[in-house]
Amino acid sequence: DAGVIQSPRHEVTEMGQEVTLRCKPISGHNSLFWYRQTMMRGLELLIYFNNNVPIDDSGMPEDRFSAKMPNASFSTLKIQPSEPRDSAVYFCASRPQAAGANVLTFGAGSRLTVL
Amino acid sequence: AQRVTQPEKLLSVFKGAPVELKCNYSYSGSPELFWYVQYSRQRLQLLLRHISRESIKGFTADLNKGETSFHLKKPFAQEEDSAMYYCALSNRDDKIIFGKGTRLHILP
Repeated sequence: DAGVIQSPRHEVTEMGQEVTLRCKPISGHNSLFWYRQTMMRGLELLIYFNNNVPIDDSGMPEDRFSAKMPNASFSTLKIQPSEPRDSAVYFCASRPQAAGANVLTFGAGSRLTVL
Repeated sequence: AQRVTQPEKLLSVFKGAPVELKCNYSYSGSPELFWYVQYSRQRLQLLLRHISRESIKGFTADLNKGETSFHLKKPFAQEEDSAMYYCALSNRDDKIIFGKGTRLHILP
């Protein structure tokens, strides 16, 4: 298994542009988490899904952020319009359903720079 | 509200000296606590979890419910321990939140 796959690895865009980050979780994992990493705030939970259903999106900063999980093997995090303060590393992580397997496997992250 | 607090952003320790990374949490129920680590140019990965009660790479952490703490300890630091360490908490809804992280720098 290639693990959790995120794309793009790096994105540089201008303020006001739409950004779409993608994630493919590990096959068989039924939970998917999106986190944002910055020096000031550390690792913030944005949203998480169980069985493709959003469970808690209270960490999504504002309406400019949206996330979808149309099927068990794909999720997107969209920022529209993007702002310089959105610059961060965005991580996707997945987790299996098995009891006691409450451990996240992280992707490599998507580093976003908004100019 | 649940929260994880790591009071130190940066901790510098000499090689061979003891290490203690602090983590305090607030949660009204019975949480599950974890330590995750991110080595340079590697992915975030699990280091240990309190229910396993095991030592990984010489690190241990004990859940102290009275003090609501889950400090990470190692008796003798090694240079390869230099990394970013995150304490994490999972609640009954399986939501997992992280602290702000502590960068551990092992001095030669």
